[in-house]
Amino acid sequence: NAGVTQTPKFQVLKTGQSMTLQCAQDMNHNSMYWYRQDPGMGLRLIYYSASEGTTDKGEVPNGYNVSRLNKREFSLRLESAAPSQTSVYFCASSYRPGQWNGYTFGSGTRLTVV
Amino acid sequence: GENVEQHPSTLSVQEGDSAVIKCTYSDSASNYFPWYKQELGKRPQLIIDIRSNVGEKKDQRIAVTLNKTAKHFSLHITETQPEDSAVYFCAATGTGANSKLTFGKGITLSVRP
Repeated sequence: NAGVTQTPKFQVLKTGQSMTLQCAQDMNHNSMYWYRQDPGMGLRLIYYSASEGTTDKGEVPNGYNVSRLNKREFSLRLESAAPSQTSVYFCASSYRPGQWNGYTFGSGTRLTVV
Repeated sequence: GENVEQHPSTLSVQEGDSAVIKCTYSDSASNYFPWYKQELGKRPQLIIDIRSNVGEKKDQRIAVTLNKTAKHFSLHITETQPEDSAVYFCAATGTGANSKLTFGKGITLSVRP
């Protein structure tokens, strides 16, 4: 039982390059989330998917797009990376809103944009 | 939307002492309050949570208390150990179909040997 798996773990991009961060969960969770973590800023929600087939913006969606590929997978895409997107990105999942047992987080992707 | 604040941003205690971390929330509809611990370079992990129909919950050396009237909740760690040193995040959410956790900015707890 792997939980939430994120790839890659580390990535360095040049300004203007694009990339997709992958996330997959094997816990039969309905809801999935993408957060970014910056020093002193806590965890800020980028996008989330309450259930398969739906996606919604979070607090800081600009510069990102997401795809809920199926119930297991939720990807985050940076179309044209900027230095301000240098951060640690965490994917998380939960059973479903309203029936809370907390989130399970992936191990994170450390992204540097130069 | 929900706003969760944590104070202070850093806390240092002597090993064996107790530590208390406080959070406030703004949305009176929030009814689930988890706490996460994040060790350096690791993912956040759920350590304890409380629902709004409960005032206090304990799990060995950690406990969480909730005051709905004042809209604040606290994490209590007794007999602190060096391995308790980490960043602690509080969070809050409701139960709507699109509800999601709003996190505080985190507090760095240092336990001095």
